[in-house]
Amino acid sequence: GAVVSQHPSRVICKSGTSVKIECRSLDFQATTMFWYRQFPKQSLMLMATSNEGSKATYEQGVEKDKFLINHASLTLSTLTVTSAHPEDSSFYICSASKGADNEQFFGPGTRLTVL
Amino acid sequence: QKEVEQNSGPLSVPEGAIASLNCTYSDRGSQSFFWYRQYSGKSPELIMSIYSNGDKEDGRFTAQLNKASQYVSLLIRDSQPSDSATYLCAVMGSGAQKLVFGQGTRLTINP
Repeated sequence: GAVVSQHPSRVICKSGTSVKIECRSLDFQATTMFWYRQFPKQSLMLMATSNEGSKATYEQGVEKDKFLINHASLTLSTLTVTSAHPEDSSFYICSASKGADNEQFFGPGTRLTVL
Repeated sequence: QKEVEQNSGPLSVPEGAIASLNCTYSDRGSQSFFWYRQYSGKSPELIMSIYSNGDKEDGRFTAQLNKASQYVSLLIRDSQPSDSATYLCAVMGSGAQKLVFGQGTRLTINP
């Protein structure tokens, strides 16, 4: 199998606070993990690519100081949204790749609402 | 020009019929192609991957790839209401780790 979990599934926070989202590959070691954001009725937008033990590669327009990514092990990556604002409210989804065949398996997503 | 293009739909198909979903891509060097299904409010689920020209079948699903025409499609046979979802085409370009997604096609199967 290829199971990816995310925690929390839903979070509501006040403007100005920070939120950490965890992404875990449960039954495989993920060479690479990816973080996406999806606004209503839009497709997925890649935010960053993360390899274990190295700095994440951010997509153009994504602020690396605002969206902190840590990939401490082959099964865990975290995304921290710092000083969250209402415009950061979105569906955040991680995916993980085993490497072989380039298939990416998605976590269930985290719905962030910033008040 | 968008890198990966799909008809956004909605596409309505009667139950039991064949649903045909299409996708074109601009990077001629792309090597890996994927179809994901996404139910409303949920994350995408991988349903098919294809890497070489021709057809690949898995149950009721058939993916078709034509690299010369830069075209990939997904056929769903014997469509069921539970197939109603948004279908995302994703392409991995040459030398890249990341997927580029199309906008998705919303499919509705009518009982």
